[in-house]
Amino acid sequence: SQWGEENLQALSIQEGEDVTMNCSYKTYTTVVHWYRQDSGRGPALIILIRSNEREKRSGRLRATLDTSSQSSSLSITAAQCEDTAVYFCATGNYKYVFGAGTRLKVIA
Amino acid sequence: NAGVIQTPRHKVTGKGQEATLWCEPISGHSAVFWYRQTIVQGLEFLTYFRNQAPIDDSGMPKERFSAQMPNQSHSTLKIQSTQPQDSAVYLCASSPQENQDTQYFGPGTRLLVL
Repeated sequence: SQWGEENLQALSIQEGEDVTMNCSYKTYTTVVHWYRQDSGRGPALIILIRSNEREKRSGRLRATLDTSSQSSSLSITAAQCEDTAVYFCATGNYKYVFGAGTRLKVIA
Repeated sequence: NAGVIQTPRHKVTGKGQEATLWCEPISGHSAVFWYRQTIVQGLEFLTYFRNQAPIDDSGMPKERFSAQMPNQSHSTLKIQSTQPQDSAVYLCASSPQENQDTQYFGPGTRLLVL
């Protein structure tokens, strides 16, 4: 597997909490994409981070990339119910390799 | 911008029948990708076209699966003699020339083979 995590992870948090999801990858990449997928829909890109960036922010989202440990993380600050989704990381420039994903549930 | 369009959204076929899935990429995008999503395997790359030319089909099962892109406005994924293990969500994505490493996904076609 391209990724260290083999199985879909599940997280359940309260609204307003912060949450961090992690991915580790096995082969070299110049970019990590983070997607969210809502039930019945295709993945939607929410943030991407390149190998020359250690951190990237977009609204309440923060992505990090550590090329030395081949790992990336996605943090959501003050999670809201509408953040409930499955979150995937993916590497590759065209032939994406997706991680198993994290099913996040935010409870009011 | 309607995004990537996939039809049908749901398809049920009997074992041994043929299934054709359609994808309309975002207008102006130069690349089209097909992926398959299952609970067990997750999201897997199948094949990729750039400017209508097939570039990489390394993820396609060697038998029964084929993909085409006859013009810049649509691509098809055909599965011959469908089997129950072909049941999955088939996702199409496209990317623009100026940002080739960012893919925009359609809603997918949920295929069920009985």
